[in-house]
Amino acid sequence: NAGVTQTPKFQVLKTGQSMTLQCAQDMNHNSMYWYRQDPGMGLRLIYYSASEGTTDKGEVPNGYNVSRLNKREFSLRLESAAPSQTSVYFCASRGDRGSGRAFFGQGTRLTVV
Amino acid sequence: GENVEQHPSTLSVQEGDSAVIKCTYSDSASNYFPWYKQELGKRPQLIIDIRSNVGEKKDQRIAVTLNKTAKHFSLHITETQPEDSAVYFCAASIGSSNTGKLIFGQGTTLQVKP
Repeated sequence: NAGVTQTPKFQVLKTGQSMTLQCAQDMNHNSMYWYRQDPGMGLRLIYYSASEGTTDKGEVPNGYNVSRLNKREFSLRLESAAPSQTSVYFCASRGDRGSGRAFFGQGTRLTVV
Repeated sequence: GENVEQHPSTLSVQEGDSAVIKCTYSDSASNYFPWYKQELGKRPQLIIDIRSNVGEKKDQRIAVTLNKTAKHFSLHITETQPEDSAVYFCAASIGSSNTGKLIFGQGTTLQVKP
């Protein structure tokens, strides 16, 4: 099992460009999450999906859109990147059985210049 | 809205001493409280968690306590070692304890001095 896989690992964008961060999990988890991590700010929830076909806003959704393509995949899209979106982005998933533990991807370091 | 506050933001202890990190949450419906450790450049990893029907849980040198009335939970690390140095995050889950919204605190940078 690969767990949670994010692509790409690094990305540099120019202001105004768009891009999609991909996330896939192979643990048959229902819930998936997108967080951004900035120094001193912890992990802030952007969007989450409690199950296939549903998505909900988190703490900082502005400037982002998400798609729960199927049970495995949850993508995050930046339509018009801004320097304030420079951050490390983490995808995570949780199952409805077991401990409720969240498993994280390796992160995507995004720089917007 | 839901909020998790974590203190202190930085903590420095001598090797062998204990470390305590505290969190408070705002939503009384929160029912699952995990703690994560993140080493530099790596992803967060779960170290211990507790559910709302339990007051305390231990795993070797690590323990978590929960006070539902005060909406407060804490991480206790005893006999700290240099490899405990990392950033620690608390979190609270709202809704289904296994699949609900998961909100994190701001993090605590723990430094254990040899």
